[in-house]
Amino acid sequence: DAGVIQSPRHEVTEMGQEVTLRCKPISGHNSLFWYRQTMMRGLELLIYFNNNVPIDDSGMPEDRFSAKMPNASFSTLKIQPSEPRDSAVYFCASRDGTSSWLYFGPGTRLTVT
Amino acid sequence: AQTVTQSQPEMSVQEAETVTLSCTYDTSESDYYLFWYKQPPSRQMILVIRQEAYKQQNATENRFSVNFQKAAKSFSLKISDSQLGDAAMYFCAYRSKNTGNQFYFGTGTSLTVIP
Repeated sequence: DAGVIQSPRHEVTEMGQEVTLRCKPISGHNSLFWYRQTMMRGLELLIYFNNNVPIDDSGMPEDRFSAKMPNASFSTLKIQPSEPRDSAVYFCASRDGTSSWLYFGPGTRLTVT
Repeated sequence: AQTVTQSQPEMSVQEAETVTLSCTYDTSESDYYLFWYKQPPSRQMILVIRQEAYKQQNATENRFSVNFQKAAKSFSLKISDSQLGDAAMYFCAYRSKNTGNQFYFGTGTSLTVIP
């Protein structure tokens, strides 16, 4: 298996622009997670889905952030409009019902200027 | 919410020596999972080792082993025969068996391996 796939790997954008991050979980995994990593706050859970349904989005910072999972093999995290404080590494992770741990993607490094 | 504490922001070890990274956690639950993840400069998060709380035997994966002290809520990682490739950020993580998918991560320990 190719593992969790994220795109793009790097994104540089200007403040106010819309940013869309993409994730393909491992085939057969029914839970998908979006995390944000910064030096100041470490790893923060933004949202997670179970069987394509959002279960906990309490970590989504504000209305500028939205996430969707239209099917079992694809999820997006959108930021509109983006701000410099959104600069971070965004990780997607997935797991199936039997494994206890998370499989992480390679992350997307977002820089908002 | 459960908390995971890594009190060592940075550690260093000589190549071929042994180093122990500390982790403590706070929970009122009796059954849960604990993990150590490694994040090298490539930033990929890699599972190093995992432990189920009901298992008294400490988990081992090659040069990596844990010292799980359930009563003390301590879960340290020992790296034996350290190699240059072990240099990375190490995160301790907790997951409840009862409350589904919530994982709690520590703030990480940056490990330097000195040649």
